[in-house]
Amino acid sequence: DVKVTQSSRYLVKRTGEKVFLECVQDMDHENMFWYRQDPGLGLRLIYFSYDVKMKEKGDIPEGYSVSREKKERFSLILESASTNQTSMYLCASSSFTREPDTQYFGPGTRLTVL
Amino acid sequence: AQSVTQLDSQVPVFEEAPVELRCNYSSSVSVYLFWYVQYPNQGLQLLLKYLSGSTLVKGINGFEAEFNKSQTSFHLRKPSVHISDTAEYFCAVSDLTGGYQKVTFGTGTKLQVIP
Repeated sequence: DVKVTQSSRYLVKRTGEKVFLECVQDMDHENMFWYRQDPGLGLRLIYFSYDVKMKEKGDIPEGYSVSREKKERFSLILESASTNQTSMYLCASSSFTREPDTQYFGPGTRLTVL
Repeated sequence: AQSVTQLDSQVPVFEEAPVELRCNYSSSVSVYLFWYVQYPNQGLQLLLKYLSGSTLVKGINGFEAEFNKSQTSFHLRKPSVHISDTAEYFCAVSDLTGGYQKVTFGTGTKLQVIP
């Protein structure tokens, strides 16, 4: 079974803090993704990565950055958290070859910025 | 650019009744289509997918979906729902954009099964 884990289920931070969200997958997947999920808006892609040290902007990258130093780990960074970044953050991974485009999701991190 | 429309944000249905969750997509190229389910306080998990071949796709938990190319639809159906099917369902489309696969999700449909 593919397992995608996220470092925290719930997180509360203050405005202006630097926030790190960590994601780890154990299936040697090449691709990793960060989404945010908001009611009525579905999932929106923030950043993705198709290889170590590689990153590409998604649809809403503003205010976020990412890091992928190892194949299994993909970090989302909020440089200076703001209240409009309060959301559910979902990490996902997939393989180019084994199951085209099927993404495996972590349980999510619900981030509240006060 | 591709897009996915889920017209129904919420669908209430009585237990053991049939249900259909609607999904329409737009894309200029061949696509892969997916339905994911999200149970409360969990991440998304794959319910079923259409890549090619038979247009009727069967998934887990008794769900099925039919790909209709002429109507650009991929509606999800279940003949008899159970309380445990209460969840949010997301339709997704994937195509090759700019040299890589990009997945676009719909806004989700909350299925509420009433005892």
